[in-house]
Parts: sequence; structure tokens; C-alpha cells
Amino acid sequence: EAQVTQNPRYLITVTGKKLTVTCSQNMNHEYMSWYRQDPGLGLRQIYYSMNVEVTDKGDVPEGYKVSRKEKRNFPLILESPSPNQTSLYFCASRPQRTSTDTQYFGPGTRLTVL
Amino acid sequence: GESVGLHLPTLSVQEGDNSIINCAYSNSASDYFIWYKQESGKGPQFIIDIRSNMDKRQGQRVTVLLNKTVKHLSLQIAATQPGDSAVYFCAETPQRGSNYKLTFGKGTLLTVNP
Repeated sequence: EAQVTQNPRYLITVTGKKLTVTCSQNMNHEYMSWYRQDPGLGLRQIYYSMNVEVTDKGDVPEGYKVSRKEKRNFPLILESPSPNQTSLYFCASRPQRTSTDTQYFGPGTRLTVL
Repeated sequence: GESVGLHLPTLSVQEGDNSIINCAYSNSASDYFIWYKQESGKGPQFIIDIRSNMDKRQGQRVTVLLNKTVKHLSLQIAATQPGDSAVYFCAETPQRGSNYKLTFGKGTLLTVNP
């Protein structure tokens, strides 16, 4: 089944404790992206990757890092989480060269930073 | 800019009625528009899309209308069913070749009463 998977789905952590949220897609998509969703603000892009070893900042990159060492995986890294990073996070992917621009979203990771 | 409240716009309809969800966008350079449905606890799910060279596109029970003059997008759902209850987001993206970043609207909560 074609899908985007994220782990963990739920995480409660404390300020300053490094964490990684994994994202994996099995559709051989070149493009991957991370979004955060907050009440009243909708979904906002954090980082994106056009292909392996190519990453760039989105609208709200502060406090986050990403890596793209292989096509299928795009982990989101919070080196020193803070309470304002409490949010619902979504990973998305799409093929680079296609007639459709649809992005496919993972199920989400709900992160709480105390 | 205008402050954004924490509460989503809501639309409540009776089962079997038609629903119309509206969205205003701001970027004249956007050339691709998508409607997503997000059910509780899940990621956004693609419903229908439309390119800027079109003003109407129909899917199964759904129709998207695009008015570029006033930068307005609408989603029409025919014969609304309880399973259509969800938050609906419009999203826009600029022309091909750039970051495929989706800029999302704030969302509309659709509630279908049986």
C-alpha cells in the first residue's frame, strides 16, 4: 500500500531533550516536506527536500533540523525542544515530475513539550 | 494584519443537502489549488484539485470552482453524508519549478446532521 508513515504518533517530552520524528514513504517520491498544524494558524511548512541531500527552509524552520540521506526517509530533528514546539506535525511527499501536484500526507505526530 | 481566532469557521448542514465551502487566497502567482479533507486524528486527504487555467472541475459528488478575478475558491459537495463531516482546507501552490510548498487556508469545519 502506497503511504507515508510517521513515528512516533504521540510524544510527550521535556524542554531541551533532543528528539527525532521519523517520516518514510514507499512511493519513490523525490519531494518531501514537514508541516506543523496549530489552532487558528492552519498548516505551515517547516522544511522541505527536493531530492536526496537537498533540503531547504520553509516558513517556520527555527528550532528544527532535517536530513535527507536517502529518498524514502526525511526525519525531523528537534535538538532542544521548547514548549512553543508543542504541535501536530505532518510529513508529506509527492513525485517531482508528474502532471499532478498532489501531496500525500502522513497520519501526523502529536508532540507535547513540557 | 487581521488577527485570527482559534475557532474555525463552521458549516452545519442536514444529511442530503448540498454543502458549499468557500476559501479566499491571496497569491496571484498561485497556479494550482487543492481541497483537502481532514478527519479527526488523521492527516489531510486529497479531495480534488484545479489549475489556474480552469474555472470549474468536477469529481465524484464534489465540484471545485475557481474565480481568479476575486481570488476565490469554493468546494461544493452534493448530497452531503455524515461521513463528510471533517475540516476542509483549501491549499494553493505557485507555479511549477519552485518549492512545491502548499499554503493552506485556516480550514472550515463541516458538520453533517443525520
